[in-house]
Order: sequence, then C-alpha cells, then structure tokens
Amino acid sequence: EIVLTQSPATLSLSPGERATLSCRASQSISNKLAWYQQKPGQAPRLLIYDVSNRATGIPARFSGSGSGTDFTLTISSLEPEDFAVYYCQQRSDWPRTFGQGTKVEIK
Amino acid sequence: EVQVVESGGGLVQPGGSLRLSCAASGFTFSSFAMSWVRQAPGKGLQWVSSISGSGLNTYYADSVKGRFTISRDSSKNTLYLQMNSLRAEDTAIYYCAKEYGLREWSGWSDPWGQGTLVSVSS
Repeated sequence: EIVLTQSPATLSLSPGERATLSCRASQSISNKLAWYQQKPGQAPRLLIYDVSNRATGIPARFSGSGSGTDFTLTISSLEPEDFAVYYCQQRSDWPRTFGQGTKVEIK
Repeated sequence: EVQVVESGGGLVQPGGSLRLSCAASGFTFSSFAMSWVRQAPGKGLQWVSSISGSGLNTYYADSVKGRFTISRDSSKNTLYLQMNSLRAEDTAIYYCAKEYGLREWSGWSDPWGQGTLVSVSS
C-alpha cells in the first residue's frame, strides 16, 4: 500500500498569507496525485488533480506541483474561506490512499 | 446538476448488517465508476471501495474485503454498499462519490454526497 505523509499537521496563518502544504509518497506515483479541501461539517471537494490541474470552479490562487514522491499544494493568498483541512490522494495503485490531512487554521 | 445523495446509515450492533444507498442524478450513471469513502469521527479520509460503470469490476480496501459488497443498479441510478459483520471500527460517515471528469475511471472523486453516518455499538 502506498502511504502518503502530509506535513505539517497544522499550519497557522493569517488571511493574505501564502500557504505551502506538503505530501510525500512512500514510493513513486508519477503525477497521479490530487488534493481535496474539507470544511467542518461538509464533504470533501476536489481542488487539484494530476498534480497541477485545477478542478472545475477552483480559483487560480490554488496551485499544485511536484512529481515522483514529493508534492506541494500552494495557496498564494489565503482567503477567509480557505481555512479548512486539506488531503492528498494517490491513484497510482489500489488501494487508493489519502494522506492524514493538514489543517490550515487562522493565526 | 451532478448530484449524489447517500442514505441508509444508522445505529447497528457489532456483527450486524446495514445497506447504504447512493442516489445519483445529473449524469449518465452507467458511464462512470463510483466509490465509497469513509471518515471516522474526528479522523481522516479512508477509501473503502470502487466499482466500474458496468459493475463488473470492483475494488475493496483490505479492512472491508469479505465483509462489504459494492454494487449498482443502473435502472435506478443507485449505488449500494452492503455491510456485513460490522465492527466498532467501521463507525464513520460514509460518503459516496462519482469519478471526476468525463472518463469512466479518472482516479479522482467529485462530487461527493453529504454522507451518511454509520454507528456500530452495543
């Protein structure tokens, strides 16, 4: 099973600041990585797929990068609605696996 | 609008069974793979199972293999998860999700339903 490790567990930032979230895979997964956002009491929603493609309706302040085993989600300037938990997920092999999540909280 | 809505959750005793349903609308149901993902209280996301558009191909997490069965009925645009031999560790919100995009299998899930809570306790 491919293990995804996210860091940091919690990121404390202020609105307007840049957020950088990391996801590391236990083996190479090429570009087969996505990022999801989950707000309290809500279902997750897809933000980024295939490392760097924004899903429909996702603002340009969200971007993804990386390849192989190391991946990054960047939020260029945090808006109030961006404070949430973010998960990475791989589709390189079954079972599909998620990282444990990074919580972006208001400082 | 593409939409999926789960139902069927509830309180069940350890060793019991439950069947979850997911009603889909706004897209050609038989053309897309579907998945179940769960989230234990206060925890992260765990993929449970996926099924192809035809229903012929199914995949399961090791933790549920042999106990859970995923299926679909294209005449009803509905996805199911039959859960048997339930354990306390199966307690979670269960989300249904469509494969994102225009292909049968994209590997990504979106949209997701609002989830249905399954509680396994005596």
